[in-house]
Amino acid sequence: DGGITQSPKYLFRKEGQNVTLSCEQNLNHDAMYWYRQDPGQGLRLIYYSQIVNDFQKGDIAEGYSVSREKKESFPLTVTSAQKNPTAFYLCASRTISGLSTDTQYFGPGTRLTVL
Amino acid sequence: RKEVEQDPGPFNVPEGATVAFNCTYSNSASQSFFWYRQDCRKEPKLLMSVYSSGNEDGRFTAQLNRASQYISLLIRDSKLSDSATYLCVVNWFGNQFYFGTGTSLTVIP
Repeated sequence: DGGITQSPKYLFRKEGQNVTLSCEQNLNHDAMYWYRQDPGQGLRLIYYSQIVNDFQKGDIAEGYSVSREKKESFPLTVTSAQKNPTAFYLCASRTISGLSTDTQYFGPGTRLTVL
Repeated sequence: RKEVEQDPGPFNVPEGATVAFNCTYSNSASQSFFWYRQDCRKEPKLLMSVYSSGNEDGRFTAQLNRASQYISLLIRDSKLSDSATYLCVVNWFGNQFYFGTGTSLTVIP
């Protein structure tokens, strides 16, 4: 069954703790992305990666870190430096073939709540 | 100015109605355009790509106006199941996608 999986679906964290969100895809997509969605706001890009062992900061990278050791996996760590981490986190992936139709496909998301 | 702007709505329409959403984008070099649908507390799902010549998929029609830098989505014969938030998405520089805040649609019986 192909697709993008994220785990866990819900995550609760105490202030001051780091937490890692998982994202895995078996679509053989080249690029992977992490977004954050807050109520009433559009998706905001945290990090993205086009190839293994390389990634770029998005618009709101502060307080987050990522790794891309395997093509299929792009975990996101929310560190204690992130001031307002409570949000809905979405992982996406896409192929890079140069076509204008290369769009993103999303995982089901992780809802992070800081207590 | 935001890269992508949408009217947040909400749009409340009766079943069977036709409804249209517009979305404007700021970068004239934008290359690709999409409409996504997002149900409450779920991930966005691709509804359709938007092509320069316009395109149709069943009851859904998407149009692109490069001169005025906007894209539109028309839904005909609205169904209750069309109730969702519709996200406008624009891509430039290849690897970054910019999302509108979404337009909320509720179809009323």
